[in-house]
Amino acid sequence: GNSVTQMEGPVTLSEEAFLTINCTYTATGYPSLFWYVQYPGEGLQLLLKATKADDKGSNKGFEATYRKETTSFHLEKGSVQVSDSAVYFCALIKAAGNKLTFGGGTRVLVKP
Amino acid sequence: DAGVIQSPRHEVTEMGQEVTLRCKPISGHNSLFWYRQTMMRGLELLIYFNNNVPIDDSGMPEDRFSAKMPNASFSTLKIQPSEPRDSAVYFCASSITGTVAYEQYFGPGTRLTVT
Repeated sequence: GNSVTQMEGPVTLSEEAFLTINCTYTATGYPSLFWYVQYPGEGLQLLLKATKADDKGSNKGFEATYRKETTSFHLEKGSVQVSDSAVYFCALIKAAGNKLTFGGGTRVLVKP
Repeated sequence: DAGVIQSPRHEVTEMGQEVTLRCKPISGHNSLFWYRQTMMRGLELLIYFNNNVPIDDSGMPEDRFSAKMPNASFSTLKIQPSEPRDSAVYFCASSITGTVAYEQYFGPGTRLTVT
């Protein structure tokens, strides 16, 4: 079956540090890949997405590249802010399906 | 666009009581999902509907849980009777089936506490 594995948190960083959250997936076919972010007390929001191999999704300074050869979709940001403190979820949907498969989430805490 | 609307935002109830959670999806979306989030189990898909029809309810934990979607703009998740282990945040999400990336849009969630 489909699965998503992401690094466990919490990840604690100082402001302006570089952030990487690793995400790898297992799926048959050609899934679409997503990063969702959940700020404290809120629902999940789509952060970025990529629908085919080598696509790069980007939003709010975050980037992730769909790497089919390594089945990965790592999230990066060059300079984090305190406001980036949240839980980040990697997820996939198979092209022919309608169900999101989520990773376990990674809590990120950015300190001033 | 108002986004996905859920009510109530917080619910505190006693064990054995019936609880009903409500969701209004984004207008024009034809798929609706109910999730549960806990510290122990993370995000779990409970059930999803396509064009108001339940497609997959394999995530519904037991018979105490039921979900309905009587029309395209409203869904309910009912727990009867409720138990303390049902305490969680319940999210509703909606999407448009058939788009390239099947993006799901989440509501703000209902935080349920069963004492």
